[in-house]
This record gives sequence, structure tokens and C-alpha cells, in this order.
Amino acid sequence: GQNIDQPTEMTATEGAIVQINCTYQTSGFNGLFWYQQHAGEAPTFLSYNVLDGLEEKGRFSSFLSRSDSYGYLLLQELQMKDSASYLCAVRDQDYQLSWGAGTRLILKP
Amino acid sequence: ETGVTQTPRHLVMGMTNKKSLKCEQHLGHNAMYWYKQSAKKPLELMFVYNFKEQTENNSVPSRFSPECPNSSHLFLHLHTLQPEDSALYLCASSQDSSSGYNEQFFGPGTRLTVL
Repeated sequence: GQNIDQPTEMTATEGAIVQINCTYQTSGFNGLFWYQQHAGEAPTFLSYNVLDGLEEKGRFSSFLSRSDSYGYLLLQELQMKDSASYLCAVRDQDYQLSWGAGTRLILKP
Repeated sequence: ETGVTQTPRHLVMGMTNKKSLKCEQHLGHNAMYWYKQSAKKPLELMFVYNFKEQTENNSVPSRFSPECPNSSHLFLHLHTLQPEDSALYLCASSQDSSSGYNEQFFGPGTRLTVL
């Protein structure tokens, strides 16, 4: 079956940098997604990687290594509003998404 | 405004009740999804509709019955639920469920409690 692994929880301080890792085992690969979900709200799309390398979008960047079945989300200059859960999802050969359980990011002033 | 709306936002029901969840998307998408989100667990895909045709049913118990009358509306009919069905039910839509780059847009969810 499909398996997506990411840390359950991470803690960081305001202004710092944090990297949230995601490893996957899926039947084929057609892209890795990151979503942000604030408590009690809907997940919202952050990034998409299908080719190896780093995609930069302002304070958030996402990286993919298909040979290692690994990706990460890098958050820089952390702000208190970044406190949320970050969901990794991988699309398989049938274009179906499998989701990780999410990484809860706790920020301290 | 995410373009995907869900009603009701909160629902409490007994095990013998029948209720329906409604989802509507205003994005012109062709695919719609139902997910179940339980605490500290991955999102569980329940059903997928692509161009009004059901393309995925992930071994969901028959007490959950989806309906997709058109590409903009999706329902989840509930009957004789169990307390373990209590969860957040999320609806999502995307341009197409069977092609490459395919970002999903989520609704705010319905928080369901089964007593």
C-alpha cells in the first residue's frame, strides 16, 4: 500500500527556519504536494513538485528528490501565523493522492 | 473564500438518524472528492467523482452514500452511523482527477458528531 511519513510535531521560534521532511512509498509517482491547515480550517495549497530540485515561493520553498522518495518543505523567517499543520501528499501512477498524517508546527515567540 | 462551500458546518446526530452533507464548488472544476479527517490520522479519501462519474470508492461502508447530480454539487448521505464515524468531513474539487498538475481546493468541512 501507499505510505507517507512525516514528523508528527515540530517546534520553532519566531524568525527561525524549519524544514519539514516527507518520505514516501507509492505505486509510481506523479507529484508531491504540500498543504497548510490551520486548526479548524480547510487545507490550503502551498506547493507542488514533480521534478527534482528546489521550488522557491517567497518564505516557503519545497524540495524533491525522486531517487530518494523524499521531499521537504522549508519555511523561513517564521511568523506566529505559520503555526499550523503541514500536510504532505503524493500522487501515484493512477493520479490518486495519498496523504501523510500532517506535521503540527508550534511556534514560540 | 475558497470557492468550495459546505453545509452544515457542524452536525450532531444519533445513530438512527438520516442526514445529508452538501458541498458546492464555484470554480468550474470537473472533479469532486469526499475526505474523512480524524485527529492525528492522514486524510482518508472516501469518494471521487470525475465529470459526474464515480471513479473511486475506497471501501467505504454502505452507511455513507454519495451523490453527484452535476459537476458543481456533491452530497454525502448518512444513515445508521456509528460513533467512530465522528470526524471532520472535507469536500474538495479540482480541474480533473485523472491528469497531471491537479491542485485540490478544499471546503471548510463539516464537523460530524455521532452520539
